[in-house]
Amino acid sequence: EAGVVQSPRYKIIEKKQPVAFWCNPISGHNTLYWYLQNLGQGPELLIRYENEEAVDDSQLPKDRFSAERLKGVDSTLKIQPAELGDSAVYLCASSLSGTDTQYFGPGTRLTVL
Amino acid sequence: ILNVEQSPQSLHVQEGDSTNFTCSFPSSNFYALHWYRWETAKSPEALFVMTLNGDEKKKGRISATLNTKEGYSYLYIKGSQPEDSATYLCAFPKGYSTLTFGKGTMLLVSP
Repeated sequence: EAGVVQSPRYKIIEKKQPVAFWCNPISGHNTLYWYLQNLGQGPELLIRYENEEAVDDSQLPKDRFSAERLKGVDSTLKIQPAELGDSAVYLCASSLSGTDTQYFGPGTRLTVL
Repeated sequence: ILNVEQSPQSLHVQEGDSTNFTCSFPSSNFYALHWYRWETAKSPEALFVMTLNGDEKKKGRISATLNTKEGYSYLYIKGSQPEDSATYLCAFPKGYSTLTFGKGTMLLVSP
């Protein structure tokens, strides 16, 4: 069974530039999560989708971050414009439903210069 | 305890040593406690989901125990190997399905 796929694995951009991350969850998983992991911290939830509906986006900085999950399968997380403080690892995870074990992708390590 | 706390922050042991880490979590409204292992440049891997007080789970040389009344879980590694080097994260569901993670324990096992 293929795991959660994320791309790119690494991204270096200059501040004020836009950036997008892509996630393909495990087939059949209805719930998809985007997490942010800062150095020395645990992952923190940015947004959770149930199918194509964003059911928890309370921690998503909506002035510069946006996400979509068209057709309830893969998802894109976008930052525009990026700031220096956005340098972090962005993790995507999926689960069969909201209470099941979450399976993570390898993450995208973003560096903003 | 209001959030998830893990200790120690980091640990350096020699190959063959046994080691253990602690995860503390809010003991009220307990639902489940998750343990993950995150090796560098790889995906965090689910190790255990623990739900019952007194529960003990085992996966190879790794085992975990759970005390929901006092709000802690221990993760044990018997006979550590270099391939056990990773960050070990515990997570506690806060609300429906939102996992609150600890900062992790970074383990380095030297040959």
